[in-house]
Amino acid sequence: SQTIHQWPATLVQPVGSPLSLECTVEGTSNPNLYWYRQAAGRGLQLLFYSVGIGQISSEVPQNLSASRPQDRQFILSSKKLLLSDSGFYLCAWSVLGGNEQYFGPGTRLTVT
Amino acid sequence: AQSVSQHNHHVILSEAASLELGCNYSYGGTVNLFWYVQYPGQHLQLLLKYFSGDPLVKGIKGFEAEFIKSKFSFNLRKPSVQWSDTAEYFCAGTFNFGNEKLTFGTGTRLTIIP
Repeated sequence: SQTIHQWPATLVQPVGSPLSLECTVEGTSNPNLYWYRQAAGRGLQLLFYSVGIGQISSEVPQNLSASRPQDRQFILSSKKLLLSDSGFYLCAWSVLGGNEQYFGPGTRLTVT
Repeated sequence: AQSVSQHNHHVILSEAASLELGCNYSYGGTVNLFWYVQYPGQHLQLLLKYFSGDPLVKGIKGFEAEFIKSKFSFNLRKPSVQWSDTAEYFCAGTFNFGNEKLTFGTGTRLTIIP
């Protein structure tokens, strides 16, 4: 069966520090991968999605970037965190061409 | 632009009460609609989905939702809630055939009082 992992589960970082969140999927090949952010009191906002290695689409302009160095690995990064980057970050995957998405456990990021 | 809206931000019910959570979308073309649930401390998981066919869809744990195209709505219902239904509920949709990007509503927090 397929599983999706995210780490770390929680992270507290100072403003201006770098960020790297990792997401890996097991049990499937060539998935679509997604990064979402859930800010306090708001819904989930799609940040990035990827249909293949090295193929990244950004949905909103922001301080973050994403990379997909391997088929089942998706990384969310920042060179310098802002206070507004605080939130709950979710990774998800779907079958290529499929509509149903499966979510990871999330990372709660607090920027201080 | 396409959007999904949930007007109930926090709903509080007693056990055995009936539930209806509202979801409306803004788009005139083909839509696929979903309800996701996030129980405290757990992953976001799919409750039910509508792609086509019967507009009344049944999901896990006794939940159902009805797609009403004329009202651009996809409300979630359950005839009798339990304390274990306490969670956050998200409506979401994909718009256009072949578009796999989910647009989420802001979520509804449901609290069930024993």
